[in-house]
Amino acid sequence: AQSVTQLGSHVSVSEGALVLLRCNYSSSVPPYLFWYVQYPNQGLQLLLKYTTGATLVKGINGFEAEFKKSETSFHLTKPSAHMSDAAEYLCAVTFSGYSTLTFGKGTMLLVSP
Amino acid sequence: DVKVTQSSRYLVKRTGEKVFLECVQDMDHENMFWYRQDPGLGLRLIYFSYDVKMKEKGDIPEGYSVSREKKERFSLILESASTNQTSMYLCASTLGQGSTPNQPQHFGDGTRLSIL
Repeated sequence: AQSVTQLGSHVSVSEGALVLLRCNYSSSVPPYLFWYVQYPNQGLQLLLKYTTGATLVKGINGFEAEFKKSETSFHLTKPSAHMSDAAEYLCAVTFSGYSTLTFGKGTMLLVSP
Repeated sequence: DVKVTQSSRYLVKRTGEKVFLECVQDMDHENMFWYRQDPGLGLRLIYFSYDVKMKEKGDIPEGYSVSREKKERFSLILESASTNQTSMYLCASTLGQGSTPNQPQHFGDGTRLSIL
């Protein structure tokens, strides 16, 4: 069965600091990977998705993620955090044509001034 | 832009009531999904549907049923609401099986349901 692990339920950074949110997946077949962001009391918004061939994926709001097959990872980064980045970030994976996603448990990003 | 609309943002019901949560999408998507989201547990799939009148159980279908009479509408039904069904419920939609698997799901804003 597919699974996703997000290391750290909460990550705290200062404004202007590097953001690194970790995501590892388990799979015996090539995965399709997604990062979503969720602001308080809202639904999920797509940040970026992994498409086969391009290992470095750029998303909205200055975020990017790198697919590393050897490490089964898809970590999310942003060079400089902004206060408006404070939200929950969810990593998800799918392998099937039905597009059923398996989500990690999420990481809450806290940004301090 | 895809629009997924959930009928209520907040809902309060009593134990034993039959509860209906409605979801409508405007992009002619084949696949629709219902999740619940709980602190520390993340999103868990309750049911999904890949066509009108079709449904498949997700990871936690117990206590729930669904209805999809029209392509754009997917309803989640709590047959007899219980306090452990207090949660945030999220609906999503995406293109169907003929598309590539990396099509993202598009989410509604969620319904925060409280069962008293």
